[in-house]
Amino acid sequence: DIQMTQSPSSMSASLGDTVTITCLASQDIGNYLSWYQQKPGKSPKLMIYGATNLEDGVPSRFSGSRSGSDYSLTINSLGYDDEGIYHCHQYYEYPPAFGAGTKLELK
Amino acid sequence: QVQLQQSGAELAKPGSSVKISCKASGYTFTSYYISWIKQTTGQGLEYIGYINTGSGGTNYNEKFKGKATLTVDKSSSTAFMQLSSLTPDDSAVYYCARESQGWYFDFWGPGTMVTVSS
Repeated sequence: DIQMTQSPSSMSASLGDTVTITCLASQDIGNYLSWYQQKPGKSPKLMIYGATNLEDGVPSRFSGSRSGSDYSLTINSLGYDDEGIYHCHQYYEYPPAFGAGTKLELK
Repeated sequence: QVQLQQSGAELAKPGSSVKISCKASGYTFTSYYISWIKQTTGQGLEYIGYINTGSGGTNYNEKFKGKATLTVDKSSSTAFMQLSSLTPDDSAVYYCARESQGWYFDFWGPGTMVTVSS
């Protein structure tokens, strides 16, 4: 099975900062990578699919990129509404797999 | 608008079974698969399996074979997951999610908390 190594596990940043979360795939997954945001007590929300495509309604401050087997989610101009847990997810091969999650807090 | 409504929290005894429901609305139910995902400790997500809502065909993550059974009732646009032989390790929040045409999950249910305790 494909493993997704996500880092960091948690981070703290300030209002207006730019942050980057990374997932490393254990084997080639092409662009079959999505990112989800999860607020406390809520279900995950799709943010990015196909590694770089912004889901409808997601602010353009969010972006996804790929460099080889490394996939990144970048959030510009960080706001309090961006706090939560972020999950990456590969859907190239069955079974789909998620990263361990990154908890993002604002200072 | 697309909505997935899940059944309420369950408190179950070790060795028993629970059946969770996921009722879909706002789209053609049989045009999209429904997947089920487990979340423990509020962070990590584990994929359980999916059901083809049109044919009823299923595919399970090897880890959950024998633990989860997925079924569907097309007449009510509802998917179900039964968890059997429950142990405390099955205590978690369980989500249903719609699998998009591109295989990522574009809509999620609110989750059902299952607590296994004697």
